[in-house]
Amino acid sequence: QLQLQESGPGLVKPSETLSLTCTVSGGSISSSSYYWGWIRQPPGKGLEWIGSIYYSGSTYYNPSLKSRVTISVDTSKNQFSLKLSSVTAADTAVYYCARLAIAAAGNGWFDPWGQGTLVTVSS
Amino acid sequence: SYELTQPPSVSVSPGQTASITCSGDKLGDKYACWYQQKPGQSPVVVIYQDNKRPSGIPERFSGSNSGNTATLTISGTQAMDEADYYCQAWDSSTVVFGGGTKLTVL
Repeated sequence: QLQLQESGPGLVKPSETLSLTCTVSGGSISSSSYYWGWIRQPPGKGLEWIGSIYYSGSTYYNPSLKSRVTISVDTSKNQFSLKLSSVTAADTAVYYCARLAIAAAGNGWFDPWGQGTLVTVSS
Repeated sequence: SYELTQPPSVSVSPGQTASITCSGDKLGDKYACWYQQKPGQSPVVVIYQDNKRPSGIPERFSGSNSGNTATLTISGTQAMDEADYYCQAWDSSTVVFGGGTKLTVL
């Protein structure tokens, strides 16, 4: 069965760049039926979509984060990655990666999700 | 930007029906899905494409979407259904989540 695993530093200093990688196992990231996404959840708060990527490299970003976000894909490693620049304490959150199933334009859902990784922004 | 509004909390007695709403402008013209998140766990999709259940999700979970409101209904609610629930939809190629609803079974 498909599994996703986030990896990266758990502590990032303010103003620096947060970098995370999601490794996909049990399936190919190059599947034509799916996008891949990043979602975050600040402690005790709700879910926030960060952005999504297709295996070809096509991306969609949350407008509120777009100026600081870069999502990329490495099909040879079956991985996709997140970079979030100029971080502040407000970026402290559990970061999830997930597969995004697309049935049609405007019709997609995340399944499954990785276990999530807590990233704390602090000096 | 598009917004989805959920009640912060809903309470239900065991065995009764719980309804969690998600409101957004002309949401019925879009597709909605729902996630269940238990403490310390990752979200799990329980309804997608308004009213479809993934394999492994109990039949007591159902969904509807019309007008400005999508609704997640849990029939015969069990203690194990106590969790946070989030709705999600798309708007102009962006994904939007509702603020979440804490379902308490008491």
